Amino acid sequence: VQLQESGPGLVKPSETLSLTCTVSGDSMNNYYWNWIRQAPGKGLEWIGNVYDTGSSSRNPALKSRVTISVDTSKGRFSLRLTSITSADTAVYFCARDRGAFAFDVWGHGTLVTVSS
Amino acid sequence: QSVLTQPPSVSGAPGQRVDISCTGSSSNTGAGYDVHWYQQLPGTAPKLLIYDNKNRPSGVPARFSGSKSGTSATLAITGLQAEDEGDYYCQSYDSSLRGSVFGGGTKLTVL
Repeated sequence: VQLQESGPGLVKPSETLSLTCTVSGDSMNNYYWNWIRQAPGKGLEWIGNVYDTGSSSRNPALKSRVTISVDTSKGRFSLRLTSITSADTAVYFCARDRGAFAFDVWGHGTLVTVSS
Repeated sequence: QSVLTQPPSVSGAPGQRVDISCTGSSSNTGAGYDVHWYQQLPGTAPKLLIYDNKNRPSGVPARFSGSKSGTSATLAITGLQAEDEGDYYCQSYDSSLRGSVFGGGTKLTVL
């Protein structure tokens, strides 16, 4: 299985960031699919996840700004982050949860820069 | 301030052993939730190194091992190699936050 993130590399402050993770090589069924980000020079931050049914969980620190959705028929899941600020500049990764929040497959990551 | 606490850096000479600690609290590691470890080499995505405290995914060398006791977990790397240099993160579930939490990461330097 392979994951590939896609989306804009540059977003203006106050706008909405939309990213998509395309899953290939395996079914999306029976897995949780996650978004994680890493600000430049910083550690990993879990953003949230979505199950194949569409049920999702989000990091409380970002909850009000985050929407995660899934389209298993198209083999992809998406992240929507509203009211973007410079603090959201980061590499965004998508990852599969093999169980108990152990992320066994990761995308390469996509750098999102917030700047006017 | 990360929910899980790791030392910022560790170092060791080739062939030696290093241990990386990960300390949590009663809402995560102390509550019995499993700890996972990731290796992130420069410029790459994290790679799952240890899952469920002590299990190695297929392809991960036996030089890497994990253990957990109470609120703390440890990643041990024996027979250090130059290619082990990078950042290591622990991860668990937190029942108060109802989601995944990571440690702040530990930078491993092979001298």
